[in-house]
Amino acid sequence: EAQVTQNPRYLITVTGKKLTVTCSQNMNHEYMSWYRQDPGLGLRQIYYSMNVEVTDKGDVPEGYKVSRKEKRNFPLILESPSPNQTSLYFCASRNRWDEKLFFGSGTQLSVL
Amino acid sequence: DQQVKQNSPSLSVQEGRISILNCDYTNSMFDYFLWYKKYPAEGPTFLISISSIKDKNEDGRFTVFLNKSAKHLSLHIVPSQPGDSAVYFCAASATNSGYSTLTFGKGTMLLVSP
Repeated sequence: EAQVTQNPRYLITVTGKKLTVTCSQNMNHEYMSWYRQDPGLGLRQIYYSMNVEVTDKGDVPEGYKVSRKEKRNFPLILESPSPNQTSLYFCASRNRWDEKLFFGSGTQLSVL
Repeated sequence: DQQVKQNSPSLSVQEGRISILNCDYTNSMFDYFLWYKKYPAEGPTFLISISSIKDKNEDGRFTVFLNKSAKHLSLHIVPSQPGDSAVYFCAASATNSGYSTLTFGKGTMLLVSP
């Protein structure tokens, strides 16, 4: 089954404790992206990657890091999480010639 | 500056009636538009799209209309069903800009009552 898999689904952590949210897709997509969803703000892009070793900032990149060492994986790293990073996070991917994004099921992160 | 605007946070419709969800955009470079549907505890799923070379695209009960001069698009759902109750996101892309990334609106929560 074609899918984007994120882990974990739920995560509660404390301020300053580094964490990684994993994302993997099995559709051989070149493009991958991370979004966060907040009430009243919709979906905002954090980082995206056009291909392996090519990443770029989205609209709200502060406090996040990403890497794209393999085509299928695009982890999101929070080096020192803060409470304002409490949010619902979505990973997504697509073929480079198609605008249609496929989303993962989401990761609900709470930073205390 | 919000480039994709969905000015109605919520919409309530009776089953069987038409649902009309609206979206406005400000960036004249946008040339491809998509609608996504999102249920609670799930990721957004693609619903329907339209290129700027068209003014209408239809898929079953869902039709998207694009008015380029007004920078406005709308999603029509006819007839509406309770299972359509979800948050709907409008998204836009500038495909001729060298690369493209989707810009989303804030979403409209649709509630279809029996």
